[in-house]
Amino acid sequence: GQNIDQPTEMTATEGAIVQINCTYQTSGFNGLFWYQQHAGEAPTFLSYNVLDGLEEKGRFSSFLSRSKGYSYLLLKELQMKDSASYLCAVKDSNYQLIWGAGTKLIIKP
Amino acid sequence: GAVVSQHPSRVICKSGTSVKIECRSLDFQATTMFWYRQFPKQSLMLMATSNEGSKATYEQGVEKDKFLINHASLTLSTLTVTSAHPEDSSFYICSARELSGEVGKQYFGPGTRLTVT
Repeated sequence: GQNIDQPTEMTATEGAIVQINCTYQTSGFNGLFWYQQHAGEAPTFLSYNVLDGLEEKGRFSSFLSRSKGYSYLLLKELQMKDSASYLCAVKDSNYQLIWGAGTKLIIKP
Repeated sequence: GAVVSQHPSRVICKSGTSVKIECRSLDFQATTMFWYRQFPKQSLMLMATSNEGSKATYEQGVEKDKFLINHASLTLSTLTVTSAHPEDSSFYICSARELSGEVGKQYFGPGTRLTVT
């Protein structure tokens, strides 16, 4: 079956760096997404990776290794407002989205 | 884990016809279901929020008479695109929030690709 794994919860300190991992097993691959979701709000798009490597966008970076079925989201210079859930999703060979359960990131002062 | 399904996964319809998309929570009860539209640059736009047994709440700019939402049970919500036009072609995603789950925790469906010709 298709599966996406990411940690349920992580805690980090304001100003620090945190890496949220995502591993996937899907039938085919047509891109991997990261979304940020604050409680009660719609998800906000963060990144889209379809080729191997690192994509940097400000304080956020996303890495993909298709051969390993692995991605991570790297958040630098953490701010309190980064406390949210981070969702990893993969589009499979049928362009269906397979969603991870999300990682709840808690930022402490 | 909680699973949300959507049917159909893709549909092609002619301009002027109506299309119904189903969203089901397979192993949990959902008091609230959300309908999103994914745009080409991958952003998700919330269209409406539906609560079981009551009328849906639509986001500003979303025509409620065009996008009919019915949340008839705790496991099923439907989105009907009425009088579809080519500009309605998009990827529609639903999500469901568990009855007794963590506040704000949503589970997302695989999406439905709608193409209007």
